[in-house]
Amino acid sequence: EVQLVQSGAEVKKPGESLKISCKGSGYNFPTSWIGWVRQMPGKGLEWMGIIYPGDSDTRYSPSFQGQVTISADKSSNTAHLQWSSLRASDTAMYYCARHQGRLRDGFNLDPWGQGTLVTVSS
Amino acid sequence: QTVVTQEPSFSVSPGGTVTLTCGLTSGSVSTDYNPSWYQQTPGQAPRTLIYNTKTRSSGVPARFSGSILGNKAALTITGAQTDDESNYYCLLYLRGGISVFGGGTKLTVL
Repeated sequence: EVQLVQSGAEVKKPGESLKISCKGSGYNFPTSWIGWVRQMPGKGLEWMGIIYPGDSDTRYSPSFQGQVTISADKSSNTAHLQWSSLRASDTAMYYCARHQGRLRDGFNLDPWGQGTLVTVSS
Repeated sequence: QTVVTQEPSFSVSPGGTVTLTCGLTSGSVSTDYNPSWYQQTPGQAPRTLIYNTKTRSSGVPARFSGSILGNKAALTITGAQTDDESNYYCLLYLRGGISVFGGGTKLTVL
């Protein structure tokens, strides 16, 4: 079974750093794009960016470029999303999702992780 | 910046048919945008319904179908059930690895 399991909920203060994770299993992790989606409280889904673990090729939405860092460790089949200095506005649920498909044609997001709730509050 | 548009809300009667759409503020949606559709109920992770414009994901009932209607991508639910009351999001591929979600449609079945 193809599965993505995310790390647990986090509560942080503004200015702190954070790295959350998403572990894939049941498929060839290095050869499939994987990405992150933000959902702020009561709001819709926002596509953040993707990474190809095989060579770490990373693409960011212009809205998130420079705000977060996406990385992947193919030796542990784990993708990461990190912040160097959190803000209250980063409070959201973050989902990882396998991006099936090719850069030339586009992707199908499946499966999805269960989500990681990040709360940033002083 | 590219903005993907969806109806904020829609209502359908049980057993009825509803078509949700996904457009662009500038330009037309075609199969080149590889539209996909996701269903999300409150408190749950999204679930894939349709990808590559019209391919149903594994386990998705046949009452869900995808298409291009005019200049928009469309998700049609034929014979809506109360379980279909959810938020629906479309995703368009803009090339260069970048995708964008629409704002979502809240579907009420009553």
